[in-house]
Amino acid sequence: ETGVTQSPTHLIKTRGQQVTLRCSSQSGHNTVSWYQQALGQGPQFIFQYYREEENGRGNFPPRFSGLQFPNYSSELNVNALELDDSALYLCASSIDGTSGRETQYFGPGTRLLVL
Amino acid sequence: AQSVTQPDIHITVSEGASLELRCNYSYGATPYLFWYVQSPGQGLQLLLKYFSGDTLVQGIKGFEAEFKRSQSSFNLRKPSVHWSDAAEYFCAVGGYGGSQGNLIFGKGTKLSVKP
Repeated sequence: ETGVTQSPTHLIKTRGQQVTLRCSSQSGHNTVSWYQQALGQGPQFIFQYYREEENGRGNFPPRFSGLQFPNYSSELNVNALELDDSALYLCASSIDGTSGRETQYFGPGTRLLVL
Repeated sequence: AQSVTQPDIHITVSEGASLELRCNYSYGATPYLFWYVQSPGQGLQLLLKYFSGDTLVQGIKGFEAEFKRSQSSFNLRKPSVHWSDAAEYFCAVGGYGGSQGNLIFGKGTKLSVKP
């Protein structure tokens, strides 16, 4: 186990609703990245937060937003849910993880189903 | 655009047999390369990583990988597979895009192990 926790583990929402997913980083880690993993696919990078600031974003629309708190835990918010948002959402924490070399430690994920 | 290709969607090997999982990447310079494993219901666990230096990298659980620049490959190997190795394996490259800390993953190779 990595020490990265995510909540909830599973979630069912309907199209158009909003959802908030939470991630608690491993102790001492100041960087959090979020990934979306659709069924049968590899994880896709959504965005990264470093010391409470967004530090890069993948090819996701603005209705995907995030936040990192002073204790380095993080939230992923998705507005106006669409059916294609159904996926496993993974967060990963690291120490100063802005160069691409640092090991990212992944949580178990939140499985979101949009009906 | 940078990309990672894992040509084999599903591989079945007998317990005790050797294993090689293929990974090819597209990038102009030497990337940061990673192999992760994902067991059902679990997050991703890092097996090994390569940044520079010796092109043969040792990882956890008896895995190793070899970086071959001429072939743009980073194949994962294990000399003798155990039943507990059944999982999905993802190759990833790091250090791209607006955030240097994001990872680009392949679509994964699912490994089944026959008794």
